[in-house]
Amino acid sequence: EADIYQTPRYLVIGTGKKITLECSQTMGHDKMYWYQQDPGMELHLIHYSYGVNSTEKGDLSSESTVSRIRTEHFPLTLESARPSHTSQYLCASSEWVSPGPEAFFGQGTRLTVV
Amino acid sequence: LAKTTQPISMDSYEGQEVNITCSHNNIATNDYITWYQQFPSQGPRFIIQGYKTKVTNEVASLFIPADRKSSTLSLPRVSLSDTAVYYCLVVKAGGGADGLTFGKGTHLIIQP
Repeated sequence: EADIYQTPRYLVIGTGKKITLECSQTMGHDKMYWYQQDPGMELHLIHYSYGVNSTEKGDLSSESTVSRIRTEHFPLTLESARPSHTSQYLCASSEWVSPGPEAFFGQGTRLTVV
Repeated sequence: LAKTTQPISMDSYEGQEVNITCSHNNIATNDYITWYQQFPSQGPRFIIQGYKTKVTNEVASLFIPADRKSSTLSLPRVSLSDTAVYYCLVVKAGGGADGLTFGKGTHLIIQP
């Protein structure tokens, strides 16, 4: 069982609210990722980090922001939630080793903005 | 990173062997081929990874021809619980400051 945790699992929130989705891993992994996925649709990489104080935008433009102050923690923040942000958000982590990294995923946060 | 192409969907029956082929024509020398499985409402789960020839574990086999421009994930004797989305990824060895990008995947449906 992977040691990567996301909270909350489900969140229903009103438009305009600020929210932070939490992601923590206890595996000491250097790399962490955030994905957005609508039901039955493709996984889109929105942010990733390859170490403390490093963050990069992914393939899909997102209004969210991330931070990586500690190795184990990679929170995602939406300053002002909108209905278009309704989706499932998945966090993952992997080592920076050779050969290519196996990523471990959290259980996800299903966000609904009303 | 090399772009991958795989069938959008496949159907099979319980007890059959299922082979899902992925094309990655632009694979680089130091790239590895990795497959993930995703059930509804869950995050993807690593299945198998290889560089060349054949790799087998308790879940699946991965066949990679000499030119490495494609790979085939083989699931022996599938059951209903193998219904899932299967993703083929090409990842760079040694990590690097790259994201991990998933394509559309193959929706595999197993019928009784």
